[in-house]
Order: sequence, then C-alpha cells, then structure tokens
Amino acid sequence: DTEVTQTPKHLVMGMTNKKSLKCEQHMGHRAMYWYKQKAKKPPELMFVYSYEKLSINESVPSRFSPECPNSSLLNLHLHALQPEDSALYLCASSQVGPGTEAFFGQGTRLTVV
Amino acid sequence: SQQGEEDPQALSIQEGENATMNCSYKTSINNLQWYRQNSGRGLVHLILIRSNEREKHSGRLRVTLDTSKKSSSLLITASRAADTASYFCATYNDMRFGAGTRLTVKP
Repeated sequence: DTEVTQTPKHLVMGMTNKKSLKCEQHMGHRAMYWYKQKAKKPPELMFVYSYEKLSINESVPSRFSPECPNSSLLNLHLHALQPEDSALYLCASSQVGPGTEAFFGQGTRLTVV
Repeated sequence: SQQGEEDPQALSIQEGENATMNCSYKTSINNLQWYRQNSGRGLVHLILIRSNEREKHSGRLRVTLDTSKKSSSLLITASRAADTASYFCATYNDMRFGAGTRLTVKP
C-alpha cells in the first residue's frame, strides 16, 4: 500500500466553523507533512512531524492546529479561518532520513466562505 | 526560505520535443528530488539524485546535479501531451519547493 489518503476531498466551511482535515498512511513512514497550495503557486510547507513530534512549524497562524495522534495519522484542525485560507491542502509522508521519496495525498480542496 | 528554485517558470513545446528545466538551491544537500503535479492534484515523485551522483536516468527522464553550482536540471525526452504538468524540485533537507516549471506539451 503506497497510498496517502486525505479526507475529505472537498470542504466548504464558514469563518466561525471548526473542522478537521485527516491524512492517513500505512507505509510505516515516520515523517509526515502538511502543505498549503494556492492556485498556480507551489506547495508551501506548513508543518512537519517526525516520529509523531512536531519538528517544523513554518510560523503558521494558530487557527491551524496540527495533531499527530499516532504514526499513521495526521490531522489538521481548523478554526476561525479566513477566506484567504481557501486553498488545496496537501499531506505527504516519507521515511525519516536522506535518500527517501515523499508520497503525497490528493489533497483537500478547502473553501472558506 | 525556499531551497529549490526552478526555471523557466513556464515552458511550452510540441509533442516529441525535449523539455529542459532547471533548479537552483542555496545550501548543501544530501539529495535532490524532482516531483510532478498534474493540475489540482497531489505531487508524484519522479526521481531522486544523491549529492555524490552527477547524472541519473529513469525512462525518458534525465537528471543532472552540479553541486559546485548548486543546480540541477531535469530533461524530459520525446515529450508527450501527458507530460503536461508542473514540475518541482525539493531538497531532502527541508522538503520545500520552489516556484516550479509549468510545462505544456502541445499535441
């Protein structure tokens, strides 16, 4: 199984809502990543987890809250988002250490209204 | 800060032609990876080149690495319409992507 599964595929939420994005992999990868991608722009790294611990936080606003409850799951909790947060959110996983490729999910298309 | 920066930002060619895109990076690396992204979808890993390698091939892909110039190039030979996508490089160190090259292959 070389899949990274992201749910939901699409999400529309109001600015006062609380929602969560979910990412799951069963490849035994111990590094997991969240990216945000706006149209016609490259993916921007948001968070990196290594061995279930947050290792990189790219100064992301606190309305985005990541969680890694176990080695297979990565969540992104969303609260009080702004319309400019509308984007494609991508999750990826990889082995920890050099010389390994990252596997990406198909993303969650988020629209904040 | 971005590690990989690709150029050109956009490239349009005819089917059958070769496409070359370049990536520059700022610091020392363990390896450099190239990814492809079809519109609005997840990225797919294409090829990884280690810092002690100068060239690597995979099917119609050829990657070179020049650590003295901190640059890499991706060559796609005999391009096909299905190669139309955005291409990104990333270094292992931080898995950050540059602006990417948007390749359009016209049938």
